[in-house]
Amino acid sequence: EAQVVESGGGLVKPGGSLRLSCAASGFTFSSYHMNWVRQAPGKGLEWVSTISSDDGTYKSYADSVKGRFTIARDNAKNSLYLQMSSLRAEDTAMYYCARAPSNVFDVWGLGTMVTVSS
Amino acid sequence: QLVLTQSPSASASLGASVKLTCTLSSGHSRYAIAWHQQQPEKGPRYLMNLNSDGSHIRGDGIPDRFSGSSSGAERYLTISSLQSEDEADYYCQTWGTGIQVFGGGTKLTVL
Repeated sequence: EAQVVESGGGLVKPGGSLRLSCAASGFTFSSYHMNWVRQAPGKGLEWVSTISSDDGTYKSYADSVKGRFTIARDNAKNSLYLQMSSLRAEDTAMYYCARAPSNVFDVWGLGTMVTVSS
Repeated sequence: QLVLTQSPSASASLGASVKLTCTLSSGHSRYAIAWHQQQPEKGPRYLMNLNSDGSHIRGDGIPDRFSGSSSGAERYLTISSLQSEDEADYYCQTWGTGIQVFGGGTKLTVL
């Protein structure tokens, strides 16, 4: 069964940094585009970033995080990452990892919570 | 601009059917979408991929009580024989060049 499990969330001060991880299992990780999606408390889903399959050459970001967040993958470790810097209060959210064959998010994790607060 | 619009809330009785709507912005009426369910305090779950012609493919393990249909720029999710566990938020999702877009979500209450 295909699964993804996020980790690395926590409490961080405004302006700080955090690195999220997503461990994939049950499928050939390198063959899939992967994404990060977030959900602020009580709000809807917001796409954050996408990385292409294989060598991850193609990356895209939502305008709200462009220049502050970096997506990466390590196919040897079946892992996806999100390096977040210059964090703001409005980045407070549950962060989900999602597999996306043909742009459809078909496998989701349970999420990891990021709280940005002084 | 690629935008998906959903009604904030819907309700229907146990055992009945409900039809949720997701509307694509002008100029994007041929886009395919996906539907996702998020039960309270849980991560999202993929329900189906829905094309502009109404053809759809359900995700693994999704019962056939969940079906999709399309008309113009509208994309629908119909849930029949409503069960208590269907009470959840439902999101539509689509994509463009370099972006992914979610609708604002519809909170479904099962009465």
